[in-house]
Amino acid sequence: ETGVTQTPRHLVMGMTNKKSLKCEQHLGHNAMYWYKQSAKKPLELMFVYNFKEQTENNSVPSRFSPECPNSSHLFLHLHTLQPEDSALYLCASSPSGGGVRWNEQFFGPGTRLTVL
Amino acid sequence: QKEVEQDPGPLSVPEGAIVSLNCTYSNSAFQYFMWYRQYSRKGPELLMYTYSSGNKEDGRFTAQVDKSSKYISLFIRDSQPSDSATYLCAFPNFGNEKLTFGTGTRLTIIP
Repeated sequence: ETGVTQTPRHLVMGMTNKKSLKCEQHLGHNAMYWYKQSAKKPLELMFVYNFKEQTENNSVPSRFSPECPNSSHLFLHLHTLQPEDSALYLCASSPSGGGVRWNEQFFGPGTRLTVL
Repeated sequence: QKEVEQDPGPLSVPEGAIVSLNCTYSNSAFQYFMWYRQYSRKGPELLMYTYSSGNKEDGRFTAQVDKSSKYISLFIRDSQPSDSATYLCAFPNFGNEKLTFGTGTRLTIIP
């Protein structure tokens, strides 16, 4: 595997279900991100982790719970979601340490989530 | 006023045409400018970045920055059907790792 991988690619869940999204990066990066992408809206940054520590929580509802056990893996635990949470969830990684390379984010293919 | 404005399209042009994609921004602190390309069912990938006013060329792609007008453009020459994708402008935030994205412009090149 190369780059950033995400599983599953598609997920349909009911409002009472609990599910998890998984992201893995094979680039040796130390920063990882979760984004939400909805039609006609800019990418919404949800969470940022640097060296496994959460450095950003962009006012995300508690029904989304991130977990970063190491610099290569990132999870997004989902529970009691709402239909408006249906979207493409993207994971990204980047080098840390400042400079332009810090901002060059590499994205996974995303998980298309549908909440019924 | 939104921090970044980008026309979401969709934009359809015939193969071989020159395509112009644009973003305006309001934050004077933005010093670097990026363009990402996102194919259907894929994540965004970095296409080009620049940090100065003027033009930067990479093959058929040219990124143009006008800091005085807070306006950036991406030009695609001799457009190909394989250029059909959504193009997102992105602006690195000073001092941290975050990016501010535009909405993306969906482009279709018609053979």
